[in-house]
Amino acid sequence: DAKTTQPPSMDCAEGRAANLPCNHSTISGNEYVYWYRQIHSQGPQYIIHGLKNNETNEMASLIITEDRKSSTLILPHATLRDTAVYYCIFHGFGNEKLTFGTGTRLTIIP
Amino acid sequence: EPEVTQTPSHQVTQMGQEVILRCVPISNHLYFYWYRQILGQKVEFLVSFYNNEISEKSEIFDDQFSVERPDGSNFTLKIRSTKLEDSAMYFCASSSRPNEKLFFGSGTQLSVL
Repeated sequence: DAKTTQPPSMDCAEGRAANLPCNHSTISGNEYVYWYRQIHSQGPQYIIHGLKNNETNEMASLIITEDRKSSTLILPHATLRDTAVYYCIFHGFGNEKLTFGTGTRLTIIP
Repeated sequence: EPEVTQTPSHQVTQMGQEVILRCVPISNHLYFYWYRQILGQKVEFLVSFYNNEISEKSEIFDDQFSVERPDGSNFTLKIRSTKLEDSAMYFCASSSRPNEKLFFGSGTQLSVL
């Protein structure tokens, strides 16, 4: 079962930053927080991951709280193509498989 | 960017028939996975494969399912005798190391009639 909690849906205006929260209070010390997204019925797409430091790549930024019990994915300038279901998932040593929850359905509004 | 390719994109079969879903993982990856997603439901893990053997499988992956890496490039999922409830989108994925990011294919939509 998914060990993360995400809001079921969010809207964001095109061009604005989309901030997607995730609670993961049971994460263990060697587990990374990964974010994937699924656009319509396509295969999940990796976005970003982190252990305890904030991370940024060409797609997004990831902010992890100091106690590692929650994180926020930030899409800095959302476009219509960012409309998708976003999944926050633990992944670490001894836990090869990804356990997908229901994620957050993000809708970008023109 | 390298990608995982899956064929066919759609497969229609009769209940009780065998199907083979095919995947070409990214060439230097060593870890391979199958996931599935029944319409409207979560993405579910089926099996992971490394060094020519299954490393982990879920309860869904019963004796009707098998996986194989028949050559250096393909990775297949076989369902021996399909059931109506096997209808789903099947995703293949690969990674270069365990617990690293997974690259997913675009999926095979399997419809069992």
